[in-house]
Amino acid sequence: QQQVKQSPQSLIVQKGGIPIINCAYENTAFDYFPWYQQFPGKGPALLIAIRPDVSEKKEGRFTISFNKSAKQFSLHIMDSQPGDSATYFCAASIEAAGNKLTFGGGTRVLVKP
Amino acid sequence: DSGVTQTPKHLITATGQRVTLRCSPRSGDLSVYWYQQSLDQGLQFLIQYYNGEERAKGNILERFSAQQFPDLHSELNLSSLELGDSALYFCASSLGTSLSYEQYFGPGTRLTVT
Repeated sequence: QQQVKQSPQSLIVQKGGIPIINCAYENTAFDYFPWYQQFPGKGPALLIAIRPDVSEKKEGRFTISFNKSAKQFSLHIMDSQPGDSATYFCAASIEAAGNKLTFGGGTRVLVKP
Repeated sequence: DSGVTQTPKHLITATGQRVTLRCSPRSGDLSVYWYQQSLDQGLQFLIQYYNGEERAKGNILERFSAQQFPDLHSELNLSSLELGDSALYFCASSLGTSLSYEQYFGPGTRLTVT
């Protein structure tokens, strides 16, 4: 029940396109859902996070959509740029249990100029 | 720059050896998490400390141990190293209270076991 499934594994879009990454979870006790961006040779960087009482959250060009009943959430990157080319990870945690993150498998996004 | 520092950046060692990875959390953060990133297992939680006390344990091998010191820096000790321990090891820190559970990752230590 700790698994977080992420899809697709990789994604190629043209500049200005909207990559969409999907994640599904099983454990209904999860109450914190962050997304991380990782460039080669770097640590994951926190992008945006959502809690189950909110269905959508936007920060700059990044939007999280959350569907509690379906136990799914997704990341949209609006007006994508070549600099957005990176690996994106969704994660889930239970804040009251110390917030240890359970990560999805990652999505490698390539934005072509 | 997340404010989390990790040393060393790279480590190459032989099977059977023991190494220590060090992490300094962001100023003010009380909680430290260790994660392992490998091609086959992805990013996996190992262990968490909060203000010097172990708070949660994940998929951490018995050959691995960690501690958090009074100055809040943390060390991850890996012993009897095997080829399969080659991975990136990340430390993350957070305030660790209901005010903020956001985790900020360090740059990682790349461990190569030969």
